[in-house]
Amino acid sequence: QKEVEQDPGPLSVPEGAIVSLNCTYSNSAFQYFMWYRQYSRKGPELLMYTYSSGNKEDGRFTAQVDKSSKYISLFIRDSQPSDSATYLCAMLSYNTNAGKSTFGDGTTLTVKP
Amino acid sequence: DTEVTQTPKHLVMGMTNKKSLKCEQHMGHRAMYWYKQKAKKPPELMFVYSYEKLSINESVPSRFSPECPNSSLLNLHLHALQPEDSALYLCASSQDLLQRAEAFFGQGTRLTVV
Repeated sequence: QKEVEQDPGPLSVPEGAIVSLNCTYSNSAFQYFMWYRQYSRKGPELLMYTYSSGNKEDGRFTAQVDKSSKYISLFIRDSQPSDSATYLCAMLSYNTNAGKSTFGDGTTLTVKP
Repeated sequence: DTEVTQTPKHLVMGMTNKKSLKCEQHMGHRAMYWYKQKAKKPPELMFVYSYEKLSINESVPSRFSPECPNSSLLNLHLHALQPEDSALYLCASSQDLLQRAEAFFGQGTRLTVV
């Protein structure tokens, strides 16, 4: 079983829709939770990272962490065609696994005009 | 400036060639990373440098040789690669190892081994 499981997608939504991207994890030692956006043939871009359970908002993006359920989500409001990309969740514990990030396999999102 | 610059953007090399990938950041970050990413897969950590010293080597074959000449530069020397080493090679940096949740990635070098 993988430590991090990400909803595989692909996901296709109309412009303006609310998008929900989700990851579950099994390692309760994870402390930090990150979301990256990766356009085709480009490097990942850090969108947000969170430490505690709860919500963190940045513009149209909201990251949600539920440590009790070992579940994280990224919500995108008013989705735009420019949001079309692969979204990677990643998790990190400084106490285990040599402090390296564990990534989900990514969800590819297409927002249609 | 939150930029990590990687050169070259594309590289085609033969299995007997020696080449180097370069990575530069001017954010004052003291931790730098090399990742390898195959198509439709997440990045895989290869090496971590902290304060110019190799901190983590994820059992990478010796045909990949990292070098950190100073706090702004990270190189990856390539020699006798195999076709299966073709991938996107990503460099990243963070303030230090304790801030690695806020790591910034470069745009990558797309390597093709023929």
